[in-house]
Amino acid sequence: AQKITQTQPGMFVQEKEAVTLDCTYDTSDQSYGLFWYKQPSSGEMIFLIYQGSYDEQNATEGRYSLNFQKARKSANLVISASQLGDSAMYFCAMRVNNAGNMLTFGGGTRLMVKP
Amino acid sequence: NAGVTQTPKFQVLKTGQSMTLQCAQDMNHNSMYWYRQDPGMGLRLIYYSASEGTTDKGEVPNGYNVSRLNKREFSLRLESAAPSQTSVYFCASRLDRGPNQPQHFGDGTRLSIL
Repeated sequence: AQKITQTQPGMFVQEKEAVTLDCTYDTSDQSYGLFWYKQPSSGEMIFLIYQGSYDEQNATEGRYSLNFQKARKSANLVISASQLGDSAMYFCAMRVNNAGNMLTFGGGTRLMVKP
Repeated sequence: NAGVTQTPKFQVLKTGQSMTLQCAQDMNHNSMYWYRQDPGMGLRLIYYSASEGTTDKGEVPNGYNVSRLNKREFSLRLESAAPSQTSVYFCASRLDRGPNQPQHFGDGTRLSIL
């Protein structure tokens, strides 16, 4: 069984600073993918970034980057130059290459950006 | 540019009533999913459909049924609603072209069962 753990229920960050949101995962599969989603207070789920288990480089998408440490089974999201609009819930999710490509989600981290 | 559309957005039911949540996607995706999100928690998979005509159970299927009506539509039915099914329900779809394809989500249906 797969499991995603996000140990930070809530975090504050000062506007314009960088912040790291932690995600650890557990799987016995060798081939898997890790996704981060943002859920603002309006409720929709917004895809941010993806990292494949065989990707040699850390993924980056604009201000988002993923600090992928395979041996530690961690896939932390780094947001640079935080903005007030970054205040939201952030979810880490894992897909194992099984039938259906299902996602297993962590419990989420609520990020609050202070002006 | 609709993406994934869920109806209704809000619904209040009484215990024992039945209800069908509708989901449609216009992205020609093969796979579709139903999740529930309880307060302060991540999403949990109820059912999914890897292709038209197939459905499979996820992590929390009890009390639900699904129908993959065609490639576009995937509905979730509560036959006899219970208060424990009060939740926000999300439908998602995915293009099955490579491992990096994310699931795209609808805006959710907020369901309260009294």
